[in-house]
Amino acid sequence: EADIYQTPRYLVIGTGKKITLECSQTMGHDKMYWYQQDPGMELHLIHYSYGVNSTEKGDLSSESTVSRIRTEHFPLTLESARPSHTSQYLCASSGIQGPGGNTIYFGEGSWLTVV
Amino acid sequence: AQSVTQLGSHVSVSEGALVLLRCNYSSSVPPYLFWYVQYPNQGLQLLLKYTSAATLVKGINGFEAEFKKSETSFHLTKPSAHMSDAAEYFCAVRGGSQGNLIFGKGTKLSVKP
Repeated sequence: EADIYQTPRYLVIGTGKKITLECSQTMGHDKMYWYQQDPGMELHLIHYSYGVNSTEKGDLSSESTVSRIRTEHFPLTLESARPSHTSQYLCASSGIQGPGGNTIYFGEGSWLTVV
Repeated sequence: AQSVTQLGSHVSVSEGALVLLRCNYSSSVPPYLFWYVQYPNQGLQLLLKYTSAATLVKGINGFEAEFKKSETSFHLTKPSAHMSDAAEYFCAVRGGSQGNLIFGKGTKLSVKP
C-alpha cells in the first residue's frame, strides 16, 4: 500500500484566490508527479520532479507552479484561481530501484472547484 | 512516442460474467504497462503491471492481463464480475525520458445484478 497523501481532498474557492494543494509521501521516492484529470477524461501530466530542487513542466500546459524543497513534499500552487482550473489533481510518486521501482503510486486526489 | 488506446469508453456486464477491457499500446521500446482502477471520488489504485517478466500478469481482486507483443495488446480480464468491480479502469504505458505514465482515456465498467 502506497503512503502518499493529498490535502485538501475537496476545495471550493472563489475566483482570484490563491490556493496550494499539498502532497506528501513517506516512501523516500525521488520522483514525484502532478496529474490533472477533468471529469470523465484521461489523466494528463502537468508537473514532475526528479528530486529536491528539480521541477519540470509536463505534457499538458498548466498555470500552476510546483516546488520541491524536501524529498517528501511536492506542493502545487495556483496564484489566482479561475473556473477553468476546476478539475481533479492527482499527486504521484515513484522510486528508482526495488520492487516498486517502476510503479507509480497515486494519492487519493484533490478535487478543486473554482466558482 | 508511447501511447495507449482503450477500446470502449463504457463496458457493461452482468454479475458473474466475464470482464474484458481492451488496451492496445504503441511503443518503440519494450514497454512497461499498467492497469489502474479508480473508484468514485478516489485516486488511482494499481491493479497490475507488466515489466517484461511473465506475459500473463496476475493482479489484485482477481484481475489479470496478458501481454501480447504480436498484437500490441494488454487486455484486462476477470473470469467473474462482482458488483464491487464497478469503477473506471485506466491502461497506461511508462513513457518518455521523464518516466511518467501515459494514460488511455479510461473504460467505465458497470456491473448489473
